[in-house]
Amino acid sequence: SAVISQKPSRDICQRGTSLTIQCQVDSQVTMMFWYRQQPGQSLTLIATANQGSEATYESGFVIDKFPISRPNLTFSTLTVSNMSPEDSSIYLCSVGGVGNTIYFGEGSWLTVV
Amino acid sequence: AQSVSQHNHHVILSEAASLELGCNYSYGGTVNLFWYVQYPGQHLQLLLKYFSGDPLVKGIKGFEAEFIKSKFSFNLRKPSVQWSDTAEYFCAVGSSGGSYIPTFGRGTSLIVHP
Repeated sequence: SAVISQKPSRDICQRGTSLTIQCQVDSQVTMMFWYRQQPGQSLTLIATANQGSEATYESGFVIDKFPISRPNLTFSTLTVSNMSPEDSSIYLCSVGGVGNTIYFGEGSWLTVV
Repeated sequence: AQSVSQHNHHVILSEAASLELGCNYSYGGTVNLFWYVQYPGQHLQLLLKYFSGDPLVKGIKGFEAEFIKSKFSFNLRKPSVQWSDTAEYFCAVGSSGGSYIPTFGRGTSLIVHP
């Protein structure tokens, strides 16, 4: 499986600000995804990051709030815009493997105060 | 659309006890099945997966899961748990012929007392 690195690993942010999370994969991958894991809840898919085109967002997530870039097959960013305490969560970069297998990065633990 | 149900949200066991975590899914087609584990402060890791073949799948750290198609289940088992098995466990189901992205259950928090 690929090695997935995320930055920052943790951050505390002021409400109303924006934070960009970076995801670097050590090999080229076709499928990259961004998930959110809120405290005590399951994983929720935010969007599929498409290389060279706009991301595909799941219901309840919009580009203005969570802009995503995917300039190449090894890198993606997720921005959490105009943050509120409700955005406090773990944000997970992930890549697709054989079958429906998903591999996850270590996550970015975001706290909004 | 597929859905995944993990019946046990919190499980507390003593070391050496046997473990079985339930996972049921709803989907009429061919499925790929997964269990992921998240140890405290760590990222999600793949524990085991089933694509086809032997319905009894063995994973890392002595875990196994059995796919019972007639019951739409993929329960996770371990005969003797250790304190280090304390973690969050997530079942996930993907459809072979549909959307690539699997659906995750809510997770089961397992605490093992030494």
